[in-house]
Amino acid sequence: GEDVEQSLFLSVREGDSSVINCTYTDSSSTYLYWYKQEPGAGLQLLTYIFSNMDMKQDQRLTVLLNKKDKHLSLRIADTQTGDSAIYFCAESIESNYQLIWGAGTKLIIKP
Amino acid sequence: EAEVAQSPRYKITEKSQAVAFWCDPISGHATLYWYRQILGQGPELLVQFQDESVVDDSQLPKDRFSAERLKGVDSTLKIQPAELGDSAMYLCASSWAGRADTQYFGPGTRLTVL
Repeated sequence: GEDVEQSLFLSVREGDSSVINCTYTDSSSTYLYWYKQEPGAGLQLLTYIFSNMDMKQDQRLTVLLNKKDKHLSLRIADTQTGDSAIYFCAESIESNYQLIWGAGTKLIIKP
Repeated sequence: EAEVAQSPRYKITEKSQAVAFWCDPISGHATLYWYRQILGQGPELLVQFQDESVVDDSQLPKDRFSAERLKGVDSTLKIQPAELGDSAMYLCASSWAGRADTQYFGPGTRLTVL
């Protein structure tokens, strides 16, 4: 079945770039998403990429998609303390508009 | 900016009691989702509505959980009776029918069952 995998933790220094990685299995995915969740809060849509694109940039965020390897990454430039959160990768299933979710990567910012 | 509304934000109840959660999606969004999220995990889909109809409730524990969206707008998720293992965050999301996989989430309801 479909599966999305992420590493559980990433620790970076304030001001450095963060790169959060995700692998997925469903080659028919139409969109791939990054959501951010702060403690005790709901999920905030950060960005998404259509499966026929290989890169998308939005201010400090850069999404890279390698469809051949089924690998998605989220780069956050100039990481700030406000970026501390859990980041979820999700792929869409075209047939029923449902999302398959990763377990989330907790981003830890060191001063 | 339009948002998905949920209430209550927090609920503490004793096991065997009934609880209900409410969700009001973004205006015009035909598709509504209820998720359960256990601490340290990704969201788990419980039920998906298209307008007032259930599209998928295969993961909803139907012996104790029920969901409705009578007029195709707001929705209620009920648990009766609540069990200790139901303690989790309950998230509601909505999306356009024509682009149904871009989901926007509400703030969630944190349920604690004692």
